Amino acid sequence: AQSVTQPDIHITVSEGASLELRCNYSYGATPYLFWYVQSPGQGLQLLLKYFSGDTLVQGIKGFEAEFKRSQSSFNLRKPSVHWSDAAEYFCAAQYGNKLVFGAGTILRVKS
Amino acid sequence: EAGVAQSPRYKIIEKRQSVAFWCNPISGHATLYWYQQILGQGPKLLIQFQNNGVVDDSQLPKDRFSAERLKGVDSTLKIQPAKLEDSAVYLCASSFQGETQYFGPGTRLLVL
Repeated sequence: AQSVTQPDIHITVSEGASLELRCNYSYGATPYLFWYVQSPGQGLQLLLKYFSGDTLVQGIKGFEAEFKRSQSSFNLRKPSVHWSDAAEYFCAAQYGNKLVFGAGTILRVKS
Repeated sequence: EAGVAQSPRYKIIEKRQSVAFWCNPISGHATLYWYQQILGQGPKLLIQFQNNGVVDDSQLPKDRFSAERLKGVDSTLKIQPAKLEDSAVYLCASSFQGETQYFGPGTRLLVL
């Protein structure tokens, strides 16, 4: 079955430190890939997406993600984390009509 | 451009009661989705509409959940009767041609 794995349930980083959130999708034809962020009590906001072309994609709020076909990965990165980045991050893959989400990674930022 | 609107934002009901959620998608978006997000999990698709037709409702518990999109714009999701395990956030999303989905703020349901 098509699936998305986010191996880290929680991650804590210091403000100003770099961040990488991991995401792996199940093997097969490359799906469309997305990262969404969800702040407490809010809906999901799209950070960035990958359909094809350049494997390094830029998103909002200073985030970027790199698609690596050989590793079936689409990891999210940010060079310097701000306290306002504390939220839950979801990786998602679209297979045909269906968008499949990972279980999410909760990011905590310590000052 | 206005985003996806949902109401109510919060709802508390007793088990066996009924509840309805409303969604208004982004103007011009033909595809509308309802998701259920249980605490600690990613969203799970319940039903997908293309205009006013159902594309996928394979994960919708049809004995208690129903959804409609009569005029191809607004949509309503209903639960009748509710169970404790229906406590979750219900997210509505829309897309123009099925590629990028944009989400509303969600309705938080607590069933007591």
